[in-house]
Amino acid sequence: AQTVTQSQPEMSVQEAETVTLSCTYDTSESDYYLFWYKQPPSRQMILVIRQEAYKQQNATENRFSVNFQKAAKSFSLKISDSQLGDAAMYFCAYRSAGGGADGLTFGKGTHLIIQP
Amino acid sequence: DADVTQTPRNRITKTGKRIMLECSQTKGHDRMYWYRQDPGLGLRLIYYSFDVKDINKGEISDGYSVSRQAQAKFSLSLESAIPNQTALYFCATARSDYNEQFFGPGTRLTVL
Repeated sequence: AQTVTQSQPEMSVQEAETVTLSCTYDTSESDYYLFWYKQPPSRQMILVIRQEAYKQQNATENRFSVNFQKAAKSFSLKISDSQLGDAAMYFCAYRSAGGGADGLTFGKGTHLIIQP
Repeated sequence: DADVTQTPRNRITKTGKRIMLECSQTKGHDRMYWYRQDPGLGLRLIYYSFDVKDINKGEISDGYSVSRQAQAKFSLSLESAIPNQTALYFCATARSDYNEQFFGPGTRLTVL
């Protein structure tokens, strides 16, 4: 079974600064997807960014980018120019691309605090 | 209009009661999922369904059952609720060829 580990229960960053959230995962599969989801106080789960394991290029979405290191099984999220609206829980998630069992495996989350 | 809806949004019930959480979607997706979120534990998969006739257990299915009444509807039941089932429950949907799941707004369930 796959596992996802987020080793930072809480992170704090000054507004307009850059912050990096860490995620590592354990899998024996070669083909999979990785995701970062944001959960603000409204509790809605919002997809921030996704990465296909077969792609070497790191995904980028505006101020959000990832550092995907497949050999190290690491998938960190970088948020540039942090804004107050970025304050939320952030979850890293894994999904197998093979057939068979489905669903996302989530990490325990990182609570991101934005200091004004 | 929301694409994935959950009812009720909040529910308080007593130990031993039967309760059903409902999920509906207008996205036309084949796949539907139920997750549970506990503080400090992230989301964990309870059940998932590839289509109306294909339902599968997830990581933590004990104490729960599901029903896929139609492509658009997927219900989660607690036959006899217990306090450690107090949690936030999410429904999600996805296409068969997906690389993204779409989540409903969640149902906060409290079992006294």
